[in-house]
Amino acid sequence: QKEVEQDPGPLSVPEGAIVSLNCTYSNSAFQYFMWYRQYSRKGPELLMYTYSSGNKEDGRFTAQVDKSSKYISLFIRDSQPSDSATYLCAMTRRDDKIIFGKGTRLHILP
Amino acid sequence: EPEVTQTPSHQVTQMGQEVILRCVPISNHLYFYWYRQILGQKVEFLVSFYNNEISEKSEIFDDQFSVERPDGSNFTLKIRSTKLEDSAMYFCASSEVGSGNTIYFGEGSWLTVV
Repeated sequence: QKEVEQDPGPLSVPEGAIVSLNCTYSNSAFQYFMWYRQYSRKGPELLMYTYSSGNKEDGRFTAQVDKSSKYISLFIRDSQPSDSATYLCAMTRRDDKIIFGKGTRLHILP
Repeated sequence: EPEVTQTPSHQVTQMGQEVILRCVPISNHLYFYWYRQILGQKVEFLVSFYNNEISEKSEIFDDQFSVERPDGSNFTLKIRSTKLEDSAMYFCASSEVGSGNTIYFGEGSWLTVV
């Protein structure tokens, strides 16, 4: 089983829709969970950072972590064409390297 | 907003040549990293660096790779004898504390080995 699994997509949704992106993982020792956004040929940009289980909201973005199910989600409300990018989930134990998912390509259709 | 800067943005090199990729991490950060992303694949960890020494490295980071912090601001990745399979985007990143905290990535250096 891969350490971090993420559906590569592409995922196409109409503008204004709610987007749901997900990752599963196998290592129960992961404590820190992140979502990065990556535009083509650019560096990953940190969007959300969550420690342990729970929800975190920042503007149109909500991150959820369910450690019991080893499942994390990112929700984007009122999606915009500028949200079109690849979204990478990432996770780590304390003071350890970050493990990335493969990324989900998201297209917001005007 | 402080950012990680990388140079060059794109380099083409012949197989067997040495390449040095340069990075200026965010100034108050103490942990430095190199990751790479082969086209169409996931971002992969190469090496982490703290207190002037490597703290962890992956299987990818073999004897052909080395890192250095030659002065108070730069952090470099050297590939001694490049291979075709080294063609990838190389990202430098930095963080204030260990990887449990947030790390910030540069824009990347695109390396093409021909």
